[in-house]
Amino acid sequence: EAGVAQSPRYKIIEKRQSVAFWCNPISGHATLYWYQQILGQGPKLLIQFQNNGVVDDSQLPKDRFSAERLKGVDSTLKIQPAKLEDSAVYLCASSGGTGFSDTQYFGPGTRLTVL
Amino acid sequence: AQTVTQSQPEMSVQEAETVTLSCTYDTSESDYYLFWYKQPPSRQMILVIRQEAYKQQNATENRFSVNFQKAAKSFSLKISDSQLGDAAMYFCAYSPTGGAGSYQLTFGKGTKLSVIP
Repeated sequence: EAGVAQSPRYKIIEKRQSVAFWCNPISGHATLYWYQQILGQGPKLLIQFQNNGVVDDSQLPKDRFSAERLKGVDSTLKIQPAKLEDSAVYLCASSGGTGFSDTQYFGPGTRLTVL
Repeated sequence: AQTVTQSQPEMSVQEAETVTLSCTYDTSESDYYLFWYKQPPSRQMILVIRQEAYKQQNATENRFSVNFQKAAKSFSLKISDSQLGDAAMYFCAYSPTGGAGSYQLTFGKGTKLSVIP
């Protein structure tokens, strides 16, 4: 079974530029999550999707961050415009397959550096 | 809001020895899940072990086991016969079982485990 795929793995941008991250969850997983992991901290949830609907985006800075999940499969997270404090690893996770529906499986992450 | 606390920023263990990583959490819920995730330097977060709060029996997965103390809100991870490949950041995480925010993970800050050959 293929794992959660993310791209790109690394991205360096200037502040005020825009950037987009892509995630492909494990096949059959209905729930998809985006996390932000700042260096030295645990991941913090940004947004949760159930199929193609948003379950919770209360911690998503909506003035600059947006996310969508097309057709309930792939998802894109966008930052526009980026700030220095957005430098972090952005992790995508999915859950809800034939195993424990509560267990999240993570992708390798995208490391964003904002200069 | 739920909080997860890992009080040991760094730990080290000799190869083949046993080490215990500590985690405490705060919640008003009676049913929930607890997890330990491992994050090696390559960054891929890997599930180590999960515990369902309504089960009194401590979960085990090969060399990994937990000591779940529900009343004390404590959830420690024991790694037996430590191997070099166990070196990583270990995150304790909590998730509710239902309702708003179901299955959302709240993570601790992590414990960096070093394994000494």
